[in-house]
Amino acid sequence: GQQVMQIPQYQHVQEGEDFTTYCNSSTTLSNIQWYKQRPGGHPVFLIQLVKSGEVKKQKRLTFQFGEAKKNSSLHITATQTTDVGTYFCAGIDRGSTLGRLYFGRGTQLTVWP
Amino acid sequence: NAGVTQTPKFQVLKTGQSMTLQCAQDMNHNSMYWYRQDPGMGLRLIYYSASEGTTDKGEVPNGYNVSRLNKREFSLRLESAAPSQTSVYFCASHIRGNTIYFGEGSWLTVV
Repeated sequence: GQQVMQIPQYQHVQEGEDFTTYCNSSTTLSNIQWYKQRPGGHPVFLIQLVKSGEVKKQKRLTFQFGEAKKNSSLHITATQTTDVGTYFCAGIDRGSTLGRLYFGRGTQLTVWP
Repeated sequence: NAGVTQTPKFQVLKTGQSMTLQCAQDMNHNSMYWYRQDPGMGLRLIYYSASEGTTDKGEVPNGYNVSRLNKREFSLRLESAAPSQTSVYFCASHIRGNTIYFGEGSWLTVV
């Protein structure tokens, strides 16, 4: 079955440092989505990438989708304490008829002031 | 437009008791999910429903049952609660290719 692996599991950075989380799929994806979950909250949608090699930016956040559509990354430049939370990637297998989303385990980001 | 609503938000059960977590969405989504989230384990899929009348097991279905009552509602039942089922439960829904929306979570403690 499809697997979506995400690394690292935990990341601790000092405010102002950069942060990157990586997502790898065992199968080719039709798209990939990224979510953020604040402590005590529920996951909230950040962005969706669809095209091979796609790069999207949201202020200090940069999202990339690999050329083979099997991997993705989220990079945060100059982290702030408001970036604290767990970041999840989720993908749909290109061959899936059900369109079920598979989530990575998430990367828990801690930012020291 | 409420999105995904799940109840109860908090529940304490004794071992062996049963309960049902209710979930409803008002976005006309076909697919609905139940996840549990434990520290360091991310979101683990319990059951998935691609459409009304269909359900499929996820990663951790043991000890749970589900009902897709209609397009709006997807309930999760614990027949005989165990301490290992202490967790935060999230219901979610989406349409293929689009954003998945989560409920606010149900914090369940089994003592």
